[in-house]
Amino acid sequence: GQNIDQPTEMTATEGAIVQINCTYQTSGFNGLFWYQQHAGEAPTFLSYNVLDGLEEKGRFSSFLSRSKGYSYLLLKELQMKDSASYLCAVRDNYGQNFVFGPGTRLSVLP
Amino acid sequence: DAGITQSPRHKVTETGTPVTLRCHQTENHRYMYWYRQDPGHGLRLIHYSYGVKDTDKGEVSDGYSVSRSKTEDFLLTLESATSSQTSVYFCAISEEFLTGRTTLYEQYFGPGTRLTVT
Repeated sequence: GQNIDQPTEMTATEGAIVQINCTYQTSGFNGLFWYQQHAGEAPTFLSYNVLDGLEEKGRFSSFLSRSKGYSYLLLKELQMKDSASYLCAVRDNYGQNFVFGPGTRLSVLP
Repeated sequence: DAGITQSPRHKVTETGTPVTLRCHQTENHRYMYWYRQDPGHGLRLIHYSYGVKDTDKGEVSDGYSVSRSKTEDFLLTLESATSSQTSVYFCAISEEFLTGRTTLYEQYFGPGTRLTVT
């Protein structure tokens, strides 16, 4: 089975940096994915890590440690529009089976 | 915007009736997925497809069937809808591209279908 944990809610200030953690326990692993979802909208794919280390894409970075079952999403220079839910998901070894965490609701305050 | 659409966008149906949701893509991506999203449960995978006529079950497949007769279309059918299937349904597509030593990955979600079973 798969178990994925994320904090339920986080609050940060505009212009700051925030780190959203994700821990997972899985029977197989073939990649960790991060998504952004604004209320009432579809998720948007942000990043994909399959090897250990940091992947950077503009203001967003994602880190993976497979030995620790741990990932984080780092958001820099926070903007009001970054207020959204952030979803962590693991793809297992068997094809394209994705399991999602519960999501972290981030509120960016002025 | 990625070429992925869902139809219908909203549907209200009665318990026991069959319902089919359609996902259509113009990206020629190999993989297609159906998810449902419910408060307190997050996104859960129903079924996915890795090619024409190739499908497999996800976490919550009971009560659902799928078909993919063409690359661009992935249909989700509720044979006999129940109130527990009231949800928002998202379709997604993905593809991986090997470029030398790196792998580029794309994934897009459709706009969602809000289904209410009364």
